[in-house]
Amino acid sequence: ETGVTQSPTHLIKTRGQQVTLRCSSQSGHNTVSWYQQALGQGPQFIFQYYREEENGRGNFPPRFSGLQFPNYSSELNVNALELDDSALYLCASSLPGEETQYFGPGTRLLVL
Amino acid sequence: QKEVEQNSGPLSVPEGAIASLNCTYSDRGSQSFFWYRQYSGKSPELIMSIYSNGDKEDGRFTAQLNKASQYVSLLIRDSQPSDSATYLCAVILSGGYNKLIFGAGTRLAVHP
Repeated sequence: ETGVTQSPTHLIKTRGQQVTLRCSSQSGHNTVSWYQQALGQGPQFIFQYYREEENGRGNFPPRFSGLQFPNYSSELNVNALELDDSALYLCASSLPGEETQYFGPGTRLLVL
Repeated sequence: QKEVEQNSGPLSVPEGAIASLNCTYSDRGSQSFFWYRQYSGKSPELIMSIYSNGDKEDGRFTAQLNKASQYVSLLIRDSQPSDSATYLCAVILSGGYNKLIFGAGTRLAVHP
């Protein structure tokens, strides 16, 4: 069984640019959640996708957006990057009807 | 008051000792609780989940939940240097979708 995968592993952008991060969920997992983890903090919930629809959103501005595809893979898009967007971005997937979430390896984004 | 609180540590224990990690949460209606381990530079890895009051054991790990006191803990028996990591407590709040709320994590250092 393949676990959650994310790409790229590392990324460097400059302020004002846009970025797209990708996530492939674990086999059979139809729910994908995205989290942002700043250095020294716990992950913060960005949003969740279920059946290609946004199922809930945390306290993040609209420049954070996402998509889920029919194969349950997902993208996180961030527009107009700010320095504070520098963080580890984590994708987590879960089975239908299950609460347990399994995390991918993350994408480390640095905004200069 | 933060929704999930943990002592940031570091908690330093000698090899072979019991490490006790604590977490409190503010939402009295929360029903689902998780412990994740995160090594430096890596993503969170699920250790265990707990849903009912009392103890739940898995190998060297025991999770304890007391909903009346809004308290969840993780005990690690026979601590090993390889257990040195940050331990994240996560809670799913009542009345919402499957969104994990994390504490800031407790850093554990097991010294030989």
